[in-house]
Amino acid sequence: GAGVSQSPSNKVTEKGKDVELRCDPISGHTALYWYRQSLGQGLEFLIYFQGNSAPDKSGLPSDRFSAERTGGSVSTLTIQRTQQEDSAVYLCATLPGSFSYNEQFFGPGTRLTVL
Amino acid sequence: AQSVAQPEDQVNVAEGNPLTVKCTYSVSGNPYLFWYVQYPNRGLQFLLKYITGDNLVKGSYGFEAEFNKSQTSFHLKKPSALVSDSALYFCARGDSNSGYALNFGKGTSLLVTP
Repeated sequence: GAGVSQSPSNKVTEKGKDVELRCDPISGHTALYWYRQSLGQGLEFLIYFQGNSAPDKSGLPSDRFSAERTGGSVSTLTIQRTQQEDSAVYLCATLPGSFSYNEQFFGPGTRLTVL
Repeated sequence: AQSVAQPEDQVNVAEGNPLTVKCTYSVSGNPYLFWYVQYPNRGLQFLLKYITGDNLVKGSYGFEAEFNKSQTSFHLKKPSALVSDSALYFCARGDSNSGYALNFGKGTSLLVTP
């Protein structure tokens, strides 16, 4: 079966523009995370979705960041008015069920470059 | 704050030698621990985890790790390194008392030379 996919794989944008990053989870995986990976900074938790429950947005760094998950499947991370410090790799991970001690399945990431 | 630390940015080892990638964790709560590996231009892949039980856990590709409560460590080890093991390794900590978010270390770059 297919793994987690993300698109685009690379995105170059100009400062001030809006971008949308997409994550297609493994079929049947109800939990979905977004992370940001900056050089030398490890993975930073951004947002968590579990089924139809309200998402945990506690990791979003500013109100320019938002995410949604339609029908419990595809998720979109939107960054408005991008800044250079938003440049990073954005990773999506999913897992079946709600138990965080299960392994997460990661997508390949979207590399965002803000000029 | 519940956290995990990887004290080494880079580890260099010759092929065939044993390797260790270090990880320490904050002791509060009820932690569980993971190791993930990231190959260039790819997402993270699960290697192994400790939840409870036997302190020595074995994972993919011949890797193992030991949960050491007294030293609050969860070092990743392999008896004989391969060049193909060269990658970025992340330790991550979760806590059954505080939900689903994992805290990841900054990563350790492993370079195995022929």
